[in-house]
Amino acid sequence: KQEVTQIPAALSVPEGENLVLNCSFTDSAIYNLQWFRQDPGKGLTSLLLIQSSQREQTSGRLNASLDKSSGRSTLYIAASQPGDSATYLCAAPTDSWGKLQFGAGTQVVVTP
Amino acid sequence: GAVVSQHPSWVICKSGTSVKIECRSLDFQATTMFWYRQFPKQSLMLMATSNEGSKATYEQGVEKDKFLINHASLTLSTLTVTSAHPEDSSFYICSAQGSRSTDTQYFGPGTRLTVL
Repeated sequence: KQEVTQIPAALSVPEGENLVLNCSFTDSAIYNLQWFRQDPGKGLTSLLLIQSSQREQTSGRLNASLDKSSGRSTLYIAASQPGDSATYLCAAPTDSWGKLQFGAGTQVVVTP
Repeated sequence: GAVVSQHPSWVICKSGTSVKIECRSLDFQATTMFWYRQFPKQSLMLMATSNEGSKATYEQGVEKDKFLINHASLTLSTLTVTSAHPEDSSFYICSAQGSRSTDTQYFGPGTRLTVL
């Protein structure tokens, strides 16, 4: 059974610093890994999807890497802004249907 | 990205009544939709997987007679919480996916259910 862990559970940084969020998974035979953002009381916004054949994906200030052999993915957010404050979730499929197993999330606060 | 809507965004109901939540994919055909619930300060937990035209597949511990799921078309899935009780109060989120399991899942904005 796929298990997904995120460390740290919470992170507070001053504006302008780079953010590094970690996600680990137990089953390396994943189809893909997805990073999401969730604002309080809201649904999820998909940030990046990395297919199993890729090592990283980039979108603007966001970069996500995937290392299947070590069971890890890292989300980098460059030059953080207060608007980046949110909970970030990673998720990996647990089966061929696409069912997702979510990590517990990392709550990020970027202070002005 | 693709858009998934949920209706209603929040609902308050009395204990014992039933509540229906709709999940719609607005600009693509969703072969598969997933229903999650999220308790405060916790992550999402998958409740069930629904495929268009088929019966839903429920996760262990989820009562299928209490949480009725219907996926009648490629753009609409509904979750009905029957005989709701206060412990059913939660944030319910759906997601929609295209025909391939490797496709990105797009999530709805969620529905806040409060049972009095």
